[in-house]
Amino acid sequence: SAVISQKPSRDICQRGTSLTIQCQVDSQVTMMFWYRQQPGQSLTLIATANQGSEATYESGFVIDKFPISRPNLTFSTLTVSNMSPEDSSIYLCSVGTEQSIQYFGAGTRLSVL
Amino acid sequence: EDQVTQSPEALRLQEGESSSLNCSYTVSGLRGLFWYRQDPGKGPEFLFTLYSAGEEKEKERLKATLTKKESFLHITAPKPEDSATYLCAVRDSGGSNYKLTFGKGTLLTVNP
Repeated sequence: SAVISQKPSRDICQRGTSLTIQCQVDSQVTMMFWYRQQPGQSLTLIATANQGSEATYESGFVIDKFPISRPNLTFSTLTVSNMSPEDSSIYLCSVGTEQSIQYFGAGTRLSVL
Repeated sequence: EDQVTQSPEALRLQEGESSSLNCSYTVSGLRGLFWYRQDPGKGPEFLFTLYSAGEEKEKERLKATLTKKESFLHITAPKPEDSATYLCAVRDSGGSNYKLTFGKGTLLTVNP
């Protein structure tokens, strides 16, 4: 499986600011995804990061709040914009294989004050 | 809408005490059921994929089984290092092509 690195691993931010999370993979992958894991809740897909085109967002998530970039087949970023305490969560990137298996990074633990 | 329900929410076992975790699901058409293990401070680690009813997969002390409505993760003679949150997810044949829908997980604690 691919090695997935996420930065930062954790951060504490002030409300109203934005944070960009990076996801680097050690091999080229077609499918990359961004998830949110809120306390006591299930992992929820935010969007699919498409290389060379706009990300595909799931219901309840919008590009203005969670802009995503995918400049190549090994890298993606997720920005959490205009943060509020409700955005405090773990954000994870994953990569998908042809067998539909997804492998996850270690996550970014975000606290918004 | 796809639904995944895991039970129990938390399970505490003594070392060597075998048990099972349950994952009930509702999908229009199952294209895969996935089990992950998640340790504190880490991302989910892939364990198994099951695709059709009757299928079984094993890895060390873990065995996953699948029926048309649910999956079980059987843990035989668990050790303290098996303590983790176990997540179940499904991929539906309809909707977003590669979307996984996750349950909330079962927190397993194995005491020595």
